[in-house]
Amino acid sequence: KQEVTQIPAALSVPEGENLVLNCSFTDSAIYNLQWFRQDPGKGLTSLLLIQSSQREQTSGRLNASLDKSSGRSTLYIAASQPGDSATYLCACLRVTGGFKTIFGAGTRLFVKA
Amino acid sequence: DAGVIQSPRHEVTEMGQEVTLRCKPISGHNSLFWYRQTMMRGLELLIYFNNNVPIDDSGMPEDRFSAKMPNASFSTLKIQPSEPRDSAVYFCASSPTGNIQYFGAGTRLSVL
Repeated sequence: KQEVTQIPAALSVPEGENLVLNCSFTDSAIYNLQWFRQDPGKGLTSLLLIQSSQREQTSGRLNASLDKSSGRSTLYIAASQPGDSATYLCACLRVTGGFKTIFGAGTRLFVKA
Repeated sequence: DAGVIQSPRHEVTEMGQEVTLRCKPISGHNSLFWYRQTMMRGLELLIYFNNNVPIDDSGMPEDRFSAKMPNASFSTLKIQPSEPRDSAVYFCASSPTGNIQYFGAGTRLSVL
């Protein structure tokens, strides 16, 4: 059974700092891994998707890496801004036995101005 | 496109009542997902449709929950009878290929 863990559960940093959010998963047989952002009271917004054959994806100040062998992914946020404050979730998609997405509990990020 | 549209945004009902949540996926997307989010359990997949056919409903908690997708542009999640422990935010998401999922704004359900 796939389990997805995110560390830390919450993080507070000053504006401008570079930071790393961590995601670990127990079953390496994933199809892809996706990072989402969720603002309070809102739905999820997809940030980056990494296919199982890829090592990383970049979008603007965001970089996500994937290491299937160790069951880990990281989301790197460069030069953090107050507008980055949100909850970040990672999700693993497996396709064996039908598509199934397993989400981590998320990391709540607060960037102080 | 307007994105995934869910209705209602908020629903308050009494225990025992039937609740129907609605979702309009993004046009052209062939996969649709229903999720439930609570503080205790986080985000859980309830059911997944591909080309209007339910593929995986192993996440549906009980027989009180049912989901339908009568056509490519509409899906419903019904709870009958509703219970206070069903209180949560229910999200619908759609995907063009089963990869990137696009989420609706969610329906916040409160069962009193």
